[in-house]
Amino acid sequence: KQEVTQIPAALSVPEGENLVLNCSFTDSAIYNLQWFRQDPGKGLTSLLLIQSSQREQTSGRLNASLDKSSGRSTLYIAASQPGDSATYLCAVRPLGNLIFGKGTKLSVKP
Amino acid sequence: GAGVSQSPSNKVTEKGKDVELRCDPISGHTALYWYRQRLGQGLEFLIYFQGNSAPDKSGLPSDRFSAERTGESVSTLTIQRTQQEDSAVYLCASSKRADGGYTFGSGTRLTVV
Repeated sequence: KQEVTQIPAALSVPEGENLVLNCSFTDSAIYNLQWFRQDPGKGLTSLLLIQSSQREQTSGRLNASLDKSSGRSTLYIAASQPGDSATYLCAVRPLGNLIFGKGTKLSVKP
Repeated sequence: GAGVSQSPSNKVTEKGKDVELRCDPISGHTALYWYRQRLGQGLEFLIYFQGNSAPDKSGLPSDRFSAERTGESVSTLTIQRTQQEDSAVYLCASSKRADGGYTFGSGTRLTVV
């Protein structure tokens, strides 16, 4: 059974720091992995999608990597800003529905 | 449309009443998913529609929950005889293909009083 774990559960950093969020999954048979952002009381916003054949994707200050064989992904945020404060969710897609981790709650202090 | 549209955005209902939640996916997206998120909790899979195939209902928590989708268009999630534990945000997502990314709607916040 596929399980997704995100570490840490919460993270507080000062503005300007570079940071890494971790995601691990137990079954490497996936189509893709997707990182989302969720603001309090809001829906999910897709940040990056990595297909199973890819190693990484970049969008602005965000970079996500995927190592399927070891069941790991990282989301790197460069030069963090207070506006980055949110919960970040990692989700993997085997055949069928997305399976989510419980998220990392990020707080960036001005 | 440009995104996944859900209605209503908020719903307050009395315990024991039935409610119907609506999801309008992105045009051309063959896959549609319903998730539930209770306050402070992670996302819980409910049901998955893929084209004209039989839906995957494995996440529905009880027989009070049902969902319909006609072809590749609108889906409705119905909760009968609502209970207080049904209070949550119900999120809908759609995807163009099996290896495509998901796009989520803004959700329906259901409160059962």
